[in-house]
Amino acid sequence: GAVVSQHPSWVICKSGTSVKIECRSLDFQATTMFWYRQFPKQSLMLMATSNEGSKATYEQGVEKDKFLINHASLTLSTLTVTSAHPEDSSFYICSARDSSGANVLTFGAGSRLTVL
Amino acid sequence: DAKTTQPTSMDCAEGRAANLPCNHSTISGNEYVYWYRQIHSQGPQYIIHGLKNNETNEMASLIITEDRKSSTLILPHATLRDTAVYYCIVRVLSSGGGADGLTFGKGTHLIIQP
Repeated sequence: GAVVSQHPSWVICKSGTSVKIECRSLDFQATTMFWYRQFPKQSLMLMATSNEGSKATYEQGVEKDKFLINHASLTLSTLTVTSAHPEDSSFYICSARDSSGANVLTFGAGSRLTVL
Repeated sequence: DAKTTQPTSMDCAEGRAANLPCNHSTISGNEYVYWYRQIHSQGPQYIIHGLKNNETNEMASLIITEDRKSSTLILPHATLRDTAVYYCIVRVLSSGGGADGLTFGKGTHLIIQP
């Protein structure tokens, strides 16, 4: 079946630095990928929709200049958390729609970011 | 997407069938019922989806009432590895030219007891 790979699975960084998270569709092409964020004991919140070859679409309240999304190819989307602060510490998860036409999303394993 | 209501948590004994209910009384005619689950500290996993007929796959069965206002996900022989948060989501099959991310509610935390 469809597989989505995320890297890194966990990262610790200092406040003020930037962190890049990669999301790859391994065996299918994804023109659209989705980025979610999940705080402890909360549900997933959609942050943005990543569109191959065009600008990402951000959900209300998500700062596009802080969470930079690049979808340069049909198998890779990246999320860069710029000037990270402790409140950005969270579990970031990407997903992509498979090619079955059944509107099923395949999710990556997630990336846990801790900002010190 | 139509709103869904699920119990906050449920317990089930290992080896027994786990039946997870979901209410979606405002579901539209073209909306499907999807189930995902999220094991702790992992990404969500697709389980099953259906429109109005009952569905079964290697993971679970989905029973949808005739009026489509509620559904039940059945894990026939629950194991400890089935402990997870289960999300019931209602949405259309295809978003046409665009693509929409899923909206997750709070789901049901299913705990399988040994």
